[in-house]
Amino acid sequence: QQQVKQSPQSLIVQKGGISIINCAYENTAFDYFPWYQQFPGKGPALLIAIRPDVSEKKEGRFTISFNKSAKQFSLHIMDSQPGDSATYFCAAIILTGGGNKLTFGTGTQLKVEL
Amino acid sequence: DAGVIQSPRHEVTEMGQEVTLRCKPISGHDYLFWYRQTMMRGLELLIYFNNNVPIDDSGMPEDRFSAKMPNASFSTLKIQPSEPRDSAVYFCASTLALTGTNYGYTFGSGTRLTVV
Repeated sequence: QQQVKQSPQSLIVQKGGISIINCAYENTAFDYFPWYQQFPGKGPALLIAIRPDVSEKKEGRFTISFNKSAKQFSLHIMDSQPGDSATYFCAAIILTGGGNKLTFGTGTQLKVEL
Repeated sequence: DAGVIQSPRHEVTEMGQEVTLRCKPISGHDYLFWYRQTMMRGLELLIYFNNNVPIDDSGMPEDRFSAKMPNASFSTLKIQPSEPRDSAVYFCASTLALTGTNYGYTFGSGTRLTVV
């Protein structure tokens, strides 16, 4: 059962453009939504995260937009750079009494071209 | 802190052999997770521990897989006997149970397992 659906599977963006990755979840008990960034040969690393009581969170060029009623959230990368080329995973977790178990999306391979 | 340390980084073994993957979590973290990553299935949670106790092993694919955490600073994932379909990158991650906004797992660099 895929509880967190992620799209697109791959994405090519020109340098300076906006990269957008979308996720949708099913379980309304999820109360924390992190995004992870993974470079080749490395483990995923926490990039940015949001709680469902906030509609948007911005950290530098990275922004999470959250739509609780639609059960959707997205990552926007502004002014995309070649160094942003990586695989991005959305995730969801039930922090309170949920056993601290993350459910990951299937990942998006982002390539930023010059 | 050196982060989550996994060994070996790469492992090539023959079908039928026993394979042991090792993980040292971040000191003080009370949760440890083992994940498997493949192109076809993405990141799959195999098992996780809380305070060295296995909490959920429902992701362990078969009895050929076993995991232990004898103390807070060490965990192993063993595959016996190994099969070609076990070829994947295996990640260990650890975390401290928190409810703050910076909650997240810290992953190791992974072990790339190839079974021939």
